[in-house]
Amino acid sequence: GAVVSQHPSWVICKSGTSVKIECRSLDFQATTMFWYRQFPKQSLMLMATSNEGSKATYEQGVEKDKFLINHASLTLSTLTVTSAHPEDSSFYICSARIAGADTQYFGPGTRLTVL
Amino acid sequence: QKEVEQNSGPLSVPEGAIASLNCTYSDRVSQSFFWYRQYSGKSPELIMSIYSNGDKEDGRFTAQLNKASQYVSLLIRDSQPSDSATYLCAVKETGANNLFFGTGTRLTVIP
Repeated sequence: GAVVSQHPSWVICKSGTSVKIECRSLDFQATTMFWYRQFPKQSLMLMATSNEGSKATYEQGVEKDKFLINHASLTLSTLTVTSAHPEDSSFYICSARIAGADTQYFGPGTRLTVL
Repeated sequence: QKEVEQNSGPLSVPEGAIASLNCTYSDRVSQSFFWYRQYSGKSPELIMSIYSNGDKEDGRFTAQLNKASQYVSLLIRDSQPSDSATYLCAVKETGANNLFFGTGTRLTVIP
């Protein structure tokens, strides 16, 4: 149980384009999902917390207009990287939390490369 | 400022030995504690959660929590080369939405 999927697993795009990443909880309902970014050999960095049916809460220093988050259902959250630039190249990982529980279950991650 | 601290390592142990991973946290109201394992290039996967003082065992893994000392550890018995990974400690404060992660300890099990 508690399986989280992400799509795509990797994506290569040109600078200036937008990329959408999907995060789905497959066997449970997730009222809260989280988006992280991880650069090589660095620790996880929380970008934003996504609550179903409401606006996401962004961490300090994360541009909400650049990283658009939508959590339209209890099983799906999306992250759109708008006008991507090479410095946005990173490993983006989502996690989901079962309502009423503390544990976060991570998706497999999406590796974004911006040329 | 909530802090979760781990020794970055690398920690090297021979195959079959006990690996001991340590984590300290700064916030006294923290209530939930987690250990995740992250292989290189992969996302974290949950190993164990612990909520009460004492030991919690799951197979070769034992989590130990001491809230008075603000300390949580993970012991891996009979370490295997496949245990080589980065181990992340995560802490959640009561009422908070998110987890606070340490920077991780890189473990290498030498065959």
